[in-house]
Amino acid sequence: EPEVTQTPSHQVTQMGQEVILRCVPISNHLYFYWYRQILGQKVEFLVSFYNNEISEKSEIFDDQFSVERPDGSNFTLKIRSTKLEDSAMYFCASIWTGSTDTQYFGPGTRLTVL
Amino acid sequence: SQQGEEDPQALSIQEGENATMNCSYKTSINNLQWYRQNSGRGLVHLILIRSNEREKHSGRLRVTLDTSKKSSSLLITASRAADTASYFCATALFVGYSTLTFGKGTMLLVSP
Repeated sequence: EPEVTQTPSHQVTQMGQEVILRCVPISNHLYFYWYRQILGQKVEFLVSFYNNEISEKSEIFDDQFSVERPDGSNFTLKIRSTKLEDSAMYFCASIWTGSTDTQYFGPGTRLTVL
Repeated sequence: SQQGEEDPQALSIQEGENATMNCSYKTSINNLQWYRQNSGRGLVHLILIRSNEREKHSGRLRVTLDTSKKSSSLLITASRAADTASYFCATALFVGYSTLTFGKGTMLLVSP
């Protein structure tokens, strides 16, 4: 069964460094999302992406964040200058073209900012 | 206000027992979804119920939705140790590619 994949599974970085989190959504999915979950807290929406542009973003998604679909398969989240409070699990999700309601999530990337 | 609040926050039961988790929300929704998360892992979609549905079943899962009370419940029957996980409800405000708003989750522990 097709699934959303994410790399790396765990990323450790120093404060102020740039990180790129990668996702490969399910092929033929058209709508992509990034969510994050700070340890012990709820999953929060960051951004949605459709037709090569941001469709919606939350207040968390400030100028330090950017998303890109560099090719036909990858979907990336870049954090330009990481802060301690960016430490979280980041989830990518995509929606199947035949159903516009069920979001399929990847396994997540655990980002640790030191 | 918080959209999607589950209770209880934690639930501990024995194998074979039923587990019931509740979710309340604040605004009108198009659908409500339940997800499972094993410790430190990804989110697994369990079931989706639309605002015009009242009850839905999937295997050992039974979900109800009461739009007048803005609440939903997830029942897991004949629980197993493998059901140990956190369970989240997530609401979608609109039909289509709506973002999901998650609750804080219920941590379920099923002891053998």
